[in-house]
Amino acid sequence: DPKIIQKPKYLVAVTGSEKILICEQYLGHNAMYWYRQSAKKPLEFMFSYSYQKLMDNQTASSRFQPQSSKKNHLDLQITALKPDDSATYFCASSQEPLYEQYFGPGTRLTVL
Amino acid sequence: GQQVKQSSPSLTVQEGGISILNCDYENDMFDYFAWYKKYPDNSPTLLISVRSNVDKREDGRLTVFLNKSGKHFSLHITASQPEDTAVYLCAAGAYQGGRALIFGTGTTVSVSP
Repeated sequence: DPKIIQKPKYLVAVTGSEKILICEQYLGHNAMYWYRQSAKKPLEFMFSYSYQKLMDNQTASSRFQPQSSKKNHLDLQITALKPDDSATYFCASSQEPLYEQYFGPGTRLTVL
Repeated sequence: GQQVKQSSPSLTVQEGGISILNCDYENDMFDYFAWYKKYPDNSPTLLISVRSNVDKREDGRLTVFLNKSGKHFSLHITASQPEDTAVYLCAAGAYQGGRALIFGTGTTVSVSP
């Protein structure tokens, strides 16, 4: 059974719309993260949460808002979508105070 | 500038040989160093990692070496096999950085029979 679930696997959106990317982990971890990989760019850290509280935010734009409704959920809401937001978004998790992070399968977002 | 650099975009090794992958970093605050393996259209898989108080760690065919004074770490893969063909990503992080991992651009390893 997959331990980190991301939904949907593929997502196509129009410019200006809003989407929510879902992440659930069943590893019993207490820290969760979002990363993004755009074409030809390295994997880029976006957010980290520990015990449902924001630890770090390295996303310049407020259009990206993480949402943690349960301790094993960390969704990512993206508003006013732009074509530059097209990327694969990966969720990851770890067990504090350990550092090892495990990645979900990703959501590939295409903004037209 | 990029904080974590993999200067070799690709590497070819013969089956049974040793792959050596290198990674340089800039931030003195990094205290965690990891290597991930990634197939196209898949997510990164953690291979091996070390904290800054260790300069070498072995796990089967994998060995990671850390040189803190040189701000450099490497991954050695012995007895390379065709299934080792993939992209290898190095990553580093700092405890104070909210566990953000900073990734390199990757080295594509091709194992030839």
